[in-house]
Amino acid sequence: IQLTQSPSSLSASVGDRVTITCRASQGINNYLAWHQQKPGKAPKLLIYAGSTLQSEVPSRFSGSGSGTDFTLTINSLQPEDFATYYCQQVNSNPWTFGQGTKVEI
Amino acid sequence: EMQLVESGGGLVKPGLSLRLSCAASGFTFTDAWMRWVRQAPGRGLEWVGHIKSRSYGGTADYAAAVNGRFTISRDDSKNTVYLQMNSLETEDTAVYYCSTEITLGGVIYWGQGALVTVSS
Repeated sequence: IQLTQSPSSLSASVGDRVTITCRASQGINNYLAWHQQKPGKAPKLLIYAGSTLQSEVPSRFSGSGSGTDFTLTINSLQPEDFATYYCQQVNSNPWTFGQGTKVEI
Repeated sequence: EMQLVESGGGLVKPGLSLRLSCAASGFTFTDAWMRWVRQAPGRGLEWVGHIKSRSYGGTADYAAAVNGRFTISRDDSKNTVYLQMNSLETEDTAVYYCSTEITLGGVIYWGQGALVTVSS
């Protein structure tokens, strides 16, 4: 299953609302996760099952979508949100990932 | 607490071998499919392979780029999964992450990563 993530990068200001999209080449039953990765660090799970917020992740992060089209939204962007974001499907093997979206503050 | 800890990374010459280990704790390891994912410098995340739980046959599948050179195995008595990497190429230089999910569509866990550098 191919995942197409857009945009590949974006520039935003503190306080902005940011939206990243992920399109799957076929339906994935909402088995989509979103990860945040900072330089030199392992990916950090933000959202799983399409819209479930992982424990201790700030509520400004949210996920939505179904079928093949999914969205990660960051409300009121904070300086610590500078990172690269990846979508990932776990509906079928092998796991596949989007190509990433770099968010620059 | 759920934890995955990789070890065994390092610098290796092309053509040689290296074995990574991933020690798991905090969940029922025998029920888990264990995955290896890598990230080359400046690149995205790439699935390397996975090994199924014993109840699913305990077999492994691999990405085309590593098939025939890499082998994933598991020791359920030690809660550890291994990635044996043979005939290493410079293109295998990456951080290798161990990962798993306990239930389909549920929380995904990551290790801290192990850096493998293949260079002469």
